[in-house]
Amino acid sequence: NAGVTQTPKFQVLKTGQSMTLQCAQDMNHNSMYWYRQDPGMGLRLIYYSASEGTTDKGEVPNGYNVSRLNKREFSLRLESAAPSQTSVYFCATRQTSYNEQFFGPGTRLTVL
Amino acid sequence: GQQLNQSPQSMFIQEGEDVSMNCTSSSIFNTWLWYKQEPGEGPVLLIALYKAGELTSNGRLTAQFGITRKDSFLNISASIPSDVGIYFCAGNNFGNEKLTFGTGTRLTIIP
Repeated sequence: NAGVTQTPKFQVLKTGQSMTLQCAQDMNHNSMYWYRQDPGMGLRLIYYSASEGTTDKGEVPNGYNVSRLNKREFSLRLESAAPSQTSVYFCATRQTSYNEQFFGPGTRLTVL
Repeated sequence: GQQLNQSPQSMFIQEGEDVSMNCTSSSIFNTWLWYKQEPGEGPVLLIALYKAGELTSNGRLTAQFGITRKDSFLNISASIPSDVGIYFCAGNNFGNEKLTFGTGTRLTIIP
């Protein structure tokens, strides 16, 4: 029972490159979330998915796309990475009818 | 976006001391959550509170849901070195997908 897993753990990109951050959960939760965490800015919601087949924008969606592949997996894609996207990215999940969110270990992304 | 106001921003305490921190909001929540984040890791849920006035413990940690529903408190008794980290509060209302997070309290323990 791994909970929430994220891959990769670390990544360095050059400006303009693309990449996909992967998130998977074995908690059977319906809702999944992508956050970024920057010093002094706290956790900011990028996108979320309330159920399989649906996605919605959060607070800072520009420059990102998401795919809810199935109930277990929710991926975050950077089509053309920019230095402003250097951050730590966290995936989280939530069970319907409860407000607790459970976080993965994070992906540390640097864009040069 | 809105952030909840947490205080203090940082604490330097000696091992064995008790710790108190709080979180305030300008709006009402019906859920308060407390997380701990250690360096290089994701936030870990410590305590969830669902009822105004509720007092809930998890080992040496005790959290309270404020009566006004606009604040919450976290206490740690007899601190130990592994308590080091950043503590975040978060508030939410049922039906709202989005958590509102606090600014964090960084706890450092002096041996």
